[in-house]
Amino acid sequence: AQSVTQLDSQVPVFEEAPVELRCNYSSSVSVYLFWYVQYPNQGLQLLLKYLSGSTLVKGINGFEAEFNKSQTSFHLRKPSVHISDTAEYFCAATSGTYKYIFGTGTRLKVLA
Amino acid sequence: EAQVTQNPRYLITVTGKKLTVTCSQNMNHEYMSWYRQDPGLGLRQIYYSMNVEVTDKGDVPEGYKVSRKEKRNFPLILESPSPNQTSLYFCASSSRRTGSGTQYFGPGTRLLVL
Repeated sequence: AQSVTQLDSQVPVFEEAPVELRCNYSSSVSVYLFWYVQYPNQGLQLLLKYLSGSTLVKGINGFEAEFNKSQTSFHLRKPSVHISDTAEYFCAATSGTYKYIFGTGTRLKVLA
Repeated sequence: EAQVTQNPRYLITVTGKKLTVTCSQNMNHEYMSWYRQDPGLGLRQIYYSMNVEVTDKGDVPEGYKVSRKEKRNFPLILESPSPNQTSLYFCASSSRRTGSGTQYFGPGTRLLVL
């Protein structure tokens, strides 16, 4: 069965520092991978997605993620975070069917 | 403005009293889905619909019903709510016929069942 694991439930980081949010997936078939962000009291919005092709995916707000098939990972990175990046981040996967599996989320707290 | 709307946004009810949460999208999307979000569990898919009159179960369908009579609407029905259905619910829609499309989420419905 497909699963998505986000290893860190909370990540504190100082403003302007780099950050990496980790995501691992398990699947015996090809997958499509997504990162969504949820700001306080809002719905989710897409940051970026990997469907095929280049393993380095660039998204909105300066975020990027790298698809690593051998390590079954899709970690999210940003070289310099801002206070406004404080939010909860969700990794998600689907194998091309309509069933989506989300991770448990990582709360990013950016400190001044 | 392209959007997914949900109503109501907040709801307090009692055990056993039937309720419906509506979801509507104005993007002509074929695919729609319902999720519940619980602390420490992330989002879990309840039901999804690939098109009008075509629905299927997600990971946590027990205690919920859905219908898709029109392309734009996908209501979630709790026929006999119980306290363990207290949660934050999200509706989402997508245009791709495969699972590779970006999902657009509604603002959420916070439900408390007493």
